[in-house]
Amino acid sequence: GEDVEQSLFLSVREGDSSVINCTYTDSSSTYLYWYKQEPGAGLQLLTYIFSNMDMKQDQRLTVLLNKKDKHLSLRIADTQTGDSAIYFCAEVPNQAGTALIFGKGTTLSVSS
Amino acid sequence: DTAVSQTPKYLVTQMGNDKSIKCEQNLGHDTMYWYKQDSKKFLKIMFSYNNKELIINETVPNRFSPKSPDKAHLNLHINSLELGDSAVYFCASSPDPDRVYLNTEAFFGQGTRLTVV
Repeated sequence: GEDVEQSLFLSVREGDSSVINCTYTDSSSTYLYWYKQEPGAGLQLLTYIFSNMDMKQDQRLTVLLNKKDKHLSLRIADTQTGDSAIYFCAEVPNQAGTALIFGKGTTLSVSS
Repeated sequence: DTAVSQTPKYLVTQMGNDKSIKCEQNLGHDTMYWYKQDSKKFLKIMFSYNNKELIINETVPNRFSPKSPDKAHLNLHINSLELGDSAVYFCASSPDPDRVYLNTEAFFGQGTRLTVV
């Protein structure tokens, strides 16, 4: 079957905006998630968006959802070195029960 | 208090051994999961349990057996460990799966780094 797709690496300078893109598989996925994994740590939910929304903003984070193209993006404004981590896009396709299906993760590297 | 806790955090063992990883959640969730993260950081669902009942079993060797003594625990037992089993294993839990139109946010443990030598 199809996979949740993300670019693997993104490198930005401190203070710039970062945009991480994701293409998911199931147009009927009700919620879409962004998880963050810091080095050597577990996964933490960063933000999520309900499928009837186009955009969600939470402080420095902006999530954009294009249901027609099954495209999800995460924008981090004023990126800081502490934002360096792996960012995983995830969906819950109906056929998977409630298990999260993850993208391969985008490693964000922020240089000062 | 830690919401989802896994033990041990690190596990180094020889090929052919049998080992278990324990997971406990104190969130009152109905569903628990095991995910495997390989050396390339790819995360894949392995198992999903709802109220002690297996609801997802992805293509995982039958050397892996989840055991759920109660709703708050989902342990992962691995028989005859192989080099390729080396990975980080994450336990997670989430609320009632029957309420599929509600947020099914999952809470993750800190992971168990398994190294098979």
